[in-house]
Amino acid sequence: QVQLQESGPGLVKPSQTLSLTCTVSGGSITIGGYYWSYIRQHPGKGLEWIGHIYYTGSTYYNPSLKSRLTISVDTSRNQYSLKLSSVTAADTAIYYCARAPRAVGITISHFDSWGQGTLVTVSS
Amino acid sequence: QSALTQPASVSGSPGQSITISCTGTSSDVGNYNLVSWYQQHPDKAPKLIIYEVNKRPSGVSNRFSASKSGNTASLTISGLQAEDEADYYCCSCARSSSEYVFGTGTTVTVL
Repeated sequence: QVQLQESGPGLVKPSQTLSLTCTVSGGSITIGGYYWSYIRQHPGKGLEWIGHIYYTGSTYYNPSLKSRLTISVDTSRNQYSLKLSSVTAADTAIYYCARAPRAVGITISHFDSWGQGTLVTVSS
Repeated sequence: QSALTQPASVSGSPGQSITISCTGTSSDVGNYNLVSWYQQHPDKAPKLIIYEVNKRPSGVSNRFSASKSGNTASLTISGLQAEDEADYYCCSCARSSSEYVFGTGTTVTVL
C-alpha cells in the first residue's frame, strides 16, 4: 500500500518561495503507470489541482500557477517536490500530494492515494 | 478553467438515496470519460470513491454509484448512512487533456 507524506515549512513570508516535499513509501516512484501530483485546498474551500510529474521529469501545471510553479522529482530519494515562488496570502492552503494513475492518451485518470496534507500559511 | 458546478449542500434521511450533480462543459465533463469523485470528512484528506465516470475502487461501498450524461456527471448514494456525512467533490480532465478541474464541492448532511 503506497503512502505519501508531505513535509515543509508551515509558515512562509509573502514574496518568498513555498517549498514542499512529498515522500513516497511502500512503492517506487519510478514504477510506470503513475504520475505524482499536488493539489491544494484553501481554508474552508474546494480543491484545486496544482500539477503533476512523471518520474522521467515530464510535468503538467495548472495554467493559473504555471509562471510561479516548479515540480521536480528525486528518484534516488523516492520524493518529489513543489516550489511556488512569489507567494501571497492567496497561496495559504492545505497542500496535498497524491498519486495519479496514467490514462491512455491523456496524462492522468484520477487521484487514488493521498497524503494527509500540510497547512502552509503565507504571512509576515 | 472554471470549477465544475455542484450544489452546495444535499441532505437526506438515513436509508434514503441522494444524488449530487456535477455540471461542466463540453471542454471537460462532456469531452472525457474521466470524471472522478472524492469523499472528504472534516480535517481528513479526500478519498477516491469513483473513477472513470462509474468505476468503484476496491473497498468502496456499492452504495456509491455514478453516471454521466452530456456535460453533467452525477453521484448517487443509496441507503444513506451517518458515516456518509462529508464533503464530496467531482473532478474532470479538462481542455487540453492535461489540465484537471475540481467541482465546487457538496456537503452531504444526514438528517
